[in-house]
Amino acid sequence: DQQVKQNSPSLSVQEGRISILNCDYTNSMFDYFLWYKKYPAEGPTFLISISSIKDKNEDGRFTVFLNKSAKHLSLHIVPSQPGDSAVYFCAALTGQAGTALIFGKGTTLSVSS
Amino acid sequence: EAQVTQNPRYLITVTGKKLTVTCSQNMNHEYMSWYRQDPGLGLRQIYYSMNVEVTDKGDVPEGYKVSRKEKRNFPLILESPSPNQTSLYFCASSRFPGELFFGEGSRLTVL
Repeated sequence: DQQVKQNSPSLSVQEGRISILNCDYTNSMFDYFLWYKKYPAEGPTFLISISSIKDKNEDGRFTVFLNKSAKHLSLHIVPSQPGDSAVYFCAALTGQAGTALIFGKGTTLSVSS
Repeated sequence: EAQVTQNPRYLITVTGKKLTVTCSQNMNHEYMSWYRQDPGLGLRQIYYSMNVEVTDKGDVPEGYKVSRKEKRNFPLILESPSPNQTSLYFCASSRFPGELFFGEGSRLTVL
């Protein structure tokens, strides 16, 4: 059963607008969440993370929000740029001492100019 | 330059022919891990290692072996590859389990 779910396979946004990528999780024991970005023919790269003791973390144009009661997190990109077009993976740390990283299936973001 | 290096990047092989995908990192990271990426399934963890001589199964370990004899290397071994192991494989490392540095990927085809 999928523990980390990204229910939107794709998202299209115009340049300059906000992109919102969503992620849901099922295990209330998850306490650290991350977003990765992946371009074709490259490995994923770490983007931003959030601990469960926070509800928001910001890094430049990227902000991650965590709603623990709803078991939901979202990544906001403002303003969106064509170079942001990529696959975005949500991930959660689990296992003993947070040793295993579980990824969602990914959302493909397309930003048009 | 900090990097995770995987070899080979591309490989076509036949069922049952043992193969090894090497992974090496130059960042002195304790944690290393292998993932496979398949269409519609995202990234799934195969094995991970918290440190030298410490390895553990991820979500999809069947058909794979790993070893961690040195801190920098974490090879993935397919003793008897089968077509369902055709996939894109990524090795990753980090100081701690979360913020991973990924290699560029190894695309494996098993005929």
